[in-house]
Amino acid sequence: KAGVTQTPRYLIKTRGQQVTLSCSPISGHRSVSWYQQTPGQGLQFLFEYFSETQRNKGNFPGRFSGRQFSNSRSEMNVSTLELGDSALYLCASSLEGLKPEAFFGQGTRLTVV
Amino acid sequence: AQSVTQLGSHVSVSEGALVLLRCNYSSSVPPYLFWYVQYPNQGLQLLLKYTTGATLVKGINGFEAEFKKSETSFHLTKPSAHMSDAAEYFCAVSDIYGGATNKLIFGTGTLLAVQP
Repeated sequence: KAGVTQTPRYLIKTRGQQVTLSCSPISGHRSVSWYQQTPGQGLQFLFEYFSETQRNKGNFPGRFSGRQFSNSRSEMNVSTLELGDSALYLCASSLEGLKPEAFFGQGTRLTVV
Repeated sequence: AQSVTQLGSHVSVSEGALVLLRCNYSSSVPPYLFWYVQYPNQGLQLLLKYTTGATLVKGINGFEAEFKKSETSFHLTKPSAHMSDAAEYFCAVSDIYGGATNKLIFGTGTLLAVQP
């Protein structure tokens, strides 16, 4: 079974630009979560999508948004990029059930210059 | 609110020595607990999980962890460290107060170095 696939692996963007990251979950997984990882703040939850609906959201500004498609693939978008948005963005997929484990992709390394 | 505390941001052991990485959680009800490992510029890989049942949980690569409710701990151990174990380790707890969600709450991580 293929794992969680995130594209692209690396991105360099300029302040003020916007960026879209993509995540394809494991086949059959309908829950997709996004996390931001930085040296200072560690792993922080961004949001979770299930069946094309956002059902949980972390404490991030509205510049961070996401969506999920009918095939469970998910995208997250960051508008008006700031230097502090430089991070590793991780996507995780899960089966729906009683708190199953999350399977993570390799991440997208975003650098804002 | 739930939280996870990992004691020791950096741990160094000799190859062949015992590995002990500490994790304490705060939760008013028994949570679901996880240990993940992260190699440089990679995602997180699940080592093991505790949901219900047996409190000693065995995972991949020879790691195990014991859920101790009385101590609110879920420490990760491995009897004999290998050079390939050098990585960052994260303890996580399921968000049990968030309703229907798979959200995880992570500790700050422990960077394990293995000396030859």
